[in-house]
Amino acid sequence: GAVVSQHPSWVICKSGTSVKIECRSLDFQATTMFWYRQFPKQSLMLMATSNEGSKATYEQGVEKDKFLINHASLTLSTLTVTSAHPEDSSFYICSARDTAGTAGETQYFGPGTRLLVL
Amino acid sequence: GENVEQHPSTLSVQEGDSAVIKCTYSDSASNYFPWYKQELGKRPQLIIDIRSNVGEKKDQRIAVTLNKTAKHFSLHITETQPEDSAVYFCAASIGVGDMRFGAGTRLTVKP
Repeated sequence: GAVVSQHPSWVICKSGTSVKIECRSLDFQATTMFWYRQFPKQSLMLMATSNEGSKATYEQGVEKDKFLINHASLTLSTLTVTSAHPEDSSFYICSARDTAGTAGETQYFGPGTRLLVL
Repeated sequence: GENVEQHPSTLSVQEGDSAVIKCTYSDSASNYFPWYKQELGKRPQLIIDIRSNVGEKKDQRIAVTLNKTAKHFSLHITETQPEDSAVYFCAASIGVGDMRFGAGTRLTVKP
C-alpha cells in the first residue's frame, strides 16, 4: 500500500517553455501532497504543500507564479514549472500522506522527475 | 520553524561493522521522526520511524533511539552490508505538519 507515482520521470525542454509534472497516490486518498526539489548531493527542500480543493502553501523564497500547483482531486497534484530556465533544472519529488491510515504522519515519495532545461 | 541537523555528512565503514548517524532538532513540539534511505536517482524510502512516546525502536539490523530532553535521535545499522550503501536522511515533524529533513549522510560500506 501507500504507493505514489510521478510522471514524467525525465523531461528535457527548451528555455522559456512550461513543464507539467503529475503526482498520483495510487492506492489511497491524499488531501495533502508535498513538492520537493533536490539538487545533486543535497537534501530535500520543501517547495510547497498542495491541499486538495484549496490554494497551495509555498515556502519562503519559492515563486508561486513560477511553480503552479493544482490539487484538483484526492489522488492527483500537478506542479507546472512556467517559463523554465536552466537554473530550474533539478530533481523534483512529490510525496503524500495517507492520513486515513494508521500512520498518518508518514510521507511516501514518488519516484521523482528529473528536469533538464536547455 | 523546525531545523534539523545531521552528522556526519559522509560515513565509510567496513562490511560487518556498525554505522551510526545522528540528528538534532530544534522544535520541542516535534513528535515524529522518520529515517529515509535514498539510492542514487531513486525515491527516498522509509526505513524506520519513531514517535516521541517511545525512546527506542528496532527492526532487524536497524534501530533508532530518541532523546527528547536533548532533542536528538540516532540511526543505528548493525552488521552493515554493501547494499546498505546509500544516502540516509533524518526528518522531523509535528504530527501531520511540514516535515523538515536533515542534510543527509552518504554511507559507504566497503566489502
